[in-house]
Amino acid sequence: QVQLQESGPGLVKPSETLSLTCAVSGYSISSGYYWGWIRQPPGKGLEWIGSIYHSGSTYYNPSLKSRVTISVDTSKNQFSLKLSSVTAADTAVYYCARALRMDYDYWGQGTLVTVSS
Amino acid sequence: EIVMTQSPATLSVSPGERATLSCRASQSVSSNLAWYQQKPGQAPRLLIYGASTRATGIPARFSGSGSGTEFTLTISSLQSEDFAVYYCQQYNNWLPLTFGGGTKVEIK
Repeated sequence: QVQLQESGPGLVKPSETLSLTCAVSGYSISSGYYWGWIRQPPGKGLEWIGSIYHSGSTYYNPSLKSRVTISVDTSKNQFSLKLSSVTAADTAVYYCARALRMDYDYWGQGTLVTVSS
Repeated sequence: EIVMTQSPATLSVSPGERATLSCRASQSVSSNLAWYQQKPGQAPRLLIYGASTRATGIPARFSGSGSGTEFTLTISSLQSEDFAVYYCQQYNNWLPLTFGGGTKVEIK
């Protein structure tokens, strides 16, 4: 059974960098698939942040591209998100997920990140 | 960017009735369209990919149709566990992937 679990600080100060990690179990990242991050502001819809292929190729939402870095650590079977210069508008539940064709079949439970001083 | 528009925003349906949800793309996405179900406090769950293929473990009462710019998700006979928010997502153009605004299916 494939499982994904997000971890990271739940509170980040404005202008700082949000950092999250997604630990994957039940499947080896190096075997394939795309691994992505999607966020959902409280009470709102879903926004795609970006994805990384197991080989390291990355795809970012152009609206966030200047602030986003997604990386993969196959030795730890995990991938990570960094979002710089955060503001209150970045407050959201952040999900990590797996995709074969860029439709996401397995999701983490999500982690709420609040941007506040 | 491909804009995905879902309608209606809210759908009130009685248990056992059929629900029909619509999703429109601002330009053709071929059949690269997925549907998700999200319940409060939970992550989205993949229901349909390729516009009409049910994901693993999804009941047959869920069906998807359409191609190009017009898509439909049909729930043939609503069960209590089906009341949720439903999102469509296109993956024909990856930069960026885009989701619709969602349709909330509520009990009538």
